[in-house]
Amino acid sequence: NAGVTQTPKFQVLKTGQSMTLQCAQDMNHNSMYWYRQDPGMGLRLIYYSASEGTTDKGEVPNGYNVSRLNKREFSLRLESAAPSQTSVYFCASSPSQGRNTEAFFGQGTRLTVV
Amino acid sequence: GNSVTQMEGPVTLSEEAFLTINCTYTATGYPSLFWYVQYPGEGLQLLLKATKADDKGSNKGFEATYRKETTSFHLEKGSVQVSDSAVYFCALKLHGSGNTGKLIFGQGTTLQVKP
Repeated sequence: NAGVTQTPKFQVLKTGQSMTLQCAQDMNHNSMYWYRQDPGMGLRLIYYSASEGTTDKGEVPNGYNVSRLNKREFSLRLESAAPSQTSVYFCASSPSQGRNTEAFFGQGTRLTVV
Repeated sequence: GNSVTQMEGPVTLSEEAFLTINCTYTATGYPSLFWYVQYPGEGLQLLLKATKADDKGSNKGFEATYRKETTSFHLEKGSVQVSDSAVYFCALKLHGSGNTGKLIFGQGTTLQVKP
């Protein structure tokens, strides 16, 4: 079972460059999330998609855009990368918004902006 | 606002010691509560969960009880092993209009267990 797959695993960008982080899940989940993980700050929600066709801002959306391409895929785009966006990015998915449902995480993308 | 606060780490214990990692939360409404674990170089995986007050979640010898009166969900294990060394995250899941399914995490607590 692949679960949640993120690409790439590592990336180095120059300030001002753009890139898209890809995420796909094969569990037929409705909800998908993008988080960033920074030392001492835990995981902070960037954007989430409660269901196909909808997206909502999380705690730290500035500098990012997302696309819920279909039920499987949820991409995160950095239009003009900044050093402050150096982080580890995690994609996650969840079957529904139900009380008992957990989120499943990808392996992460380590992004460095120089 | 909605938030999760965990005890600061790192926590360093000897093998077979008792573990407690404190977690308290602030939330509008009635959240579900989770503990996730992250092993080095990996993504997060669910350790245990509780969906209502007084529920006890348990898995792999870890336990946590949903205490609504103290807004807490402390993680405990009676005897830790070297293989438990990881980063532990407490999280809440919001429910209700405008928040459906949103997961909010604490800052994480690093546990190091020495032989």
